[in-house]
Amino acid sequence: DIAMTQTPLSLSATPGQPASISCKSTESLLHSDGKTYLHWFLQRPGQSPQLLIYEVSRRFSGVPDRFSGSGSGTDFTLKISRVEPEDVGVYYCMRGVNPKTFGQGTKVEL
Amino acid sequence: EVQLVESGGDLVQPGGSLRLSCLDSSSSYWLGWVRQAPGKGLEWVANLNFDGRRSEYVDSLKGRFIISRDNAKKSLYLQMNSLRDEDTAIYYCVRDASFGRLDSWGQGTLVTVSS
Repeated sequence: DIAMTQTPLSLSATPGQPASISCKSTESLLHSDGKTYLHWFLQRPGQSPQLLIYEVSRRFSGVPDRFSGSGSGTDFTLKISRVEPEDVGVYYCMRGVNPKTFGQGTKVEL
Repeated sequence: EVQLVESGGDLVQPGGSLRLSCLDSSSSYWLGWVRQAPGKGLEWVANLNFDGRRSEYVDSLKGRFIISRDNAKKSLYLQMNSLRDEDTAIYYCVRDASFGRLDSWGQGTLVTVSS
């Protein structure tokens, strides 16, 4: 089975300091069209998830530039350059091609 | 701005059926459902293209859940049959802009399967 594995599952962040989350896929996410469909979502406490980063490194509209995504093939990283209090929540990576699969989630707390 | 509003969540007994609805303000091309069991992570369920001819399902739910839409009513549906305890979850309606780029989410509707 295809799996998306995030590490760590829990992260205690310090405001103003960087933080990063890793996401690994059991198979390459490079599509035949040349794009890599790996996306990142944030679910703040009590809210619906929201799109942060799509296609590895493209920030969605309105997402602050302190969020960045990188990686290729099977290994990906979400980085927050300087954590803010509103960044608290659970972060999910997701494989965008079928079978669409989310990682387990990484809970970020201050 | 795309707005997605789910409805239809309820308490249902094991083995029962339920139909969820999602009102889409913008007649999006691909729409779908993602669910989240209490205290758990996200699970993609299914999606459907604009004319309703192309659908995709998570393998574990094929045959029990059916996704459909009525564009005249700007609505997406999820027919859930033979419900099990493990189907208990918040069900989110999502717009899939392209290959899993879920760029709009509804507020969710709670389905509880329990006797």
